[in-house]
Amino acid sequence: KAGVTQTPRYLIKTRGQQVTLSCSPISGHRSVSWYQQTPGQGLQFLFEYFSETQRNKGNFPGRFSGRQFSNSRSEMNVSTLELGDSALYLCASSGPGGLWTGELFFGEGSRLTVL
Amino acid sequence: DQQVKQNSPSLSVQEGRISILNCDYTNSMFDYFLWYKKYPAEGPTFLISISSIKDKNEDGRFTVFLNKSAKHLSLHIVPSQPGDSAVYFCAASAVSGAGSYQLTFGKGTKLSVIP
Repeated sequence: KAGVTQTPRYLIKTRGQQVTLSCSPISGHRSVSWYQQTPGQGLQFLFEYFSETQRNKGNFPGRFSGRQFSNSRSEMNVSTLELGDSALYLCASSGPGGLWTGELFFGEGSRLTVL
Repeated sequence: DQQVKQNSPSLSVQEGRISILNCDYTNSMFDYFLWYKKYPAEGPTFLISISSIKDKNEDGRFTVFLNKSAKHLSLHIVPSQPGDSAVYFCAASAVSGAGSYQLTFGKGTKLSVIP
């Protein structure tokens, strides 16, 4: 069973640019959530999508957005990049009950560097 | 307000000894508590969980203890092995304001097991 796939793995952008990150969940998983990991801050929740609908959103500015497609693949977008957006962005998928029990399956992440 | 706290950023333990990682939380509505392990350049992987109605769950060398009155949980690894060296994230699940579940992570504890 293929795992969660995130692309690209690494990318470098400059301030003011925008970026789009992609996530393909495990087949059959309909919930996709996104997290930002920065040194010393742990994993901070960005948003969660289920059946193309955003169910939850974390405490991030409106520059951070996402969407989910009918095949459960998800994308997140960050506009007007700032230096502080440099981080590892992790996508996770879960099956039925996954969010309740907390058992998420994570991808390897997309490492974004903003210069 | 940080709802899940891991107060020790790092921990060093000799191979064969016990590793104890601690986590405190503030939200009494958390239903499930989990530990995730993360190696560099990889996404977090689920390690072990415990329901809020239990006080102990064991899986091989890993045991999680929950003390609800103290809002504290701990992960015991016995015996510790060099391959256990990783960052360990404590996490907790609760219903969000939107009605679905959301996972909240601590900042992580870096465990180093010395051969």
